[in-house]
Amino acid sequence: RKEVEQDPGPFNVPEGATVAFNCTYSNSASQSFFWYRQDCRKEPKLLMSVYSSGNEDGRFTAQLNRASQYISLLIRDSKLSDSATYLCVVNKYGNKLVFGAGTILRVKS
Amino acid sequence: NAGVTQTPKFQVLKTGQSMTLQCAQDMNHNSMYWYRQDPGMGLRLIYYSASEGTTDKGEVPNGYNVSRLNKREFSLRLESAAPSQTSVYFCASSEGWNTEAFFGQGTRLTVV
Repeated sequence: RKEVEQDPGPFNVPEGATVAFNCTYSNSASQSFFWYRQDCRKEPKLLMSVYSSGNEDGRFTAQLNRASQYISLLIRDSKLSDSATYLCVVNKYGNKLVFGAGTILRVKS
Repeated sequence: NAGVTQTPKFQVLKTGQSMTLQCAQDMNHNSMYWYRQDPGMGLRLIYYSASEGTTDKGEVPNGYNVSRLNKREFSLRLESAAPSQTSVYFCASSEGWNTEAFFGQGTRLTVV
């Protein structure tokens, strides 16, 4: 089993749609969780951290479910510019960040 | 504000050649990382350095060596390149385990 698993997609959605991604992780001792965004052939960049209480940043909401060991990302009112690959990231043993393979989102007009 | 700088951006090697990928960060971060990214595989950790003077193996260390030259610089060396090492390599740095990691722009390496 992979340490961090994501549905690779692609998720094809129209502008204005709401879309949600899930990510599961295998190490119950993991303590830090993030969503990164990666545009085609570019470096990953932090989208948001995921806290136990959940957090929201504009159209983006991230949730953590420790009992079921999954993280979610909800994007409301999708924009064309949201098209990218979304990477779920979990820490392992302190400084080892482990990346999921990513979920591809395509927003179409 | 440079952040994380990687060189070179592109490289073609012949099988058996060696090369060193350079990485430098100007954010005074303690931790630095080398990842490789292959289609459908996500980013896989090759080596990391939690602090100056320490290095540890990641998920896929075979065929690579690293040097944490000082707090700013973390280099990755391929001693004898193989076609299986064709990939995009990313260097990253972070202040600690629970903070944002910043990435360089990547090195696209092809081994023929």
